[in-house]
Amino acid sequence: NAGVTQTPKFQVLKTGQSMTLQCAQDMNHEYMSWYRQDPGMGLRLIHYSVGAGITDQGEVPNGYNVSRSTTEDFPLRLLSAAPSQTSVYFCASSYPPPDTQYFGPGTRLTVL
Amino acid sequence: GIQVEQSPPDLILQEGANSTLRCNFSDSVNNLQWFHQNPWGQLINLFYIPSGTKQNGRLSATTVATERYSLLYISSSQTTDSGVYFCAVEISGGYNKLIFGAGTRLAVHP
Repeated sequence: NAGVTQTPKFQVLKTGQSMTLQCAQDMNHEYMSWYRQDPGMGLRLIHYSVGAGITDQGEVPNGYNVSRSTTEDFPLRLLSAAPSQTSVYFCASSYPPPDTQYFGPGTRLTVL
Repeated sequence: GIQVEQSPPDLILQEGANSTLRCNFSDSVNNLQWFHQNPWGQLINLFYIPSGTKQNGRLSATTVATERYSLLYISSSQTTDSGVYFCAVEISGGYNKLIFGAGTRLAVHP
């Protein structure tokens, strides 16, 4: 099992550029989530999904889009990157509660 | 919304020392999890503990849901325990949506 994988590990964008952060899991988990972590802070939920075709917003959804066409993949799209989106992004997956969440290694994104 | 507060914010220990980390939350929660973020940034789940006490080796955790707090105990600390410890709560409504505290940064020196 690879667990939760994220690509790329690092990315530098210019303001206004778009990109997609990839997340995949091979544990057949129904639930997947995206979080961002800013320096000195805990993680904040961006979007989440409870199954293929079902997504919803978390605490800080503005500027991000998601879709879930398969159980395995949950990409996060930045349509027009802004410096305020400079952060480390973590993807997580789990079975429905009660279950622990498994986190990917993170993507460090810098927007200039 | 719910507030999750962790204390202390920073902790420095000598190898072999014991420590207690605290997590207070401001409202009822469905569950509580403790995570360790190692110096390379990887997040590892330590405990899923909505109530009661659990132990895993040198680590144990206790959650008193009625009083809205949880404690993480680290005994005989090792340099590999260094990193940031987060508690995260799931609010009512499920979906495993977590609200994280700001973390306790632990440095264990040899």
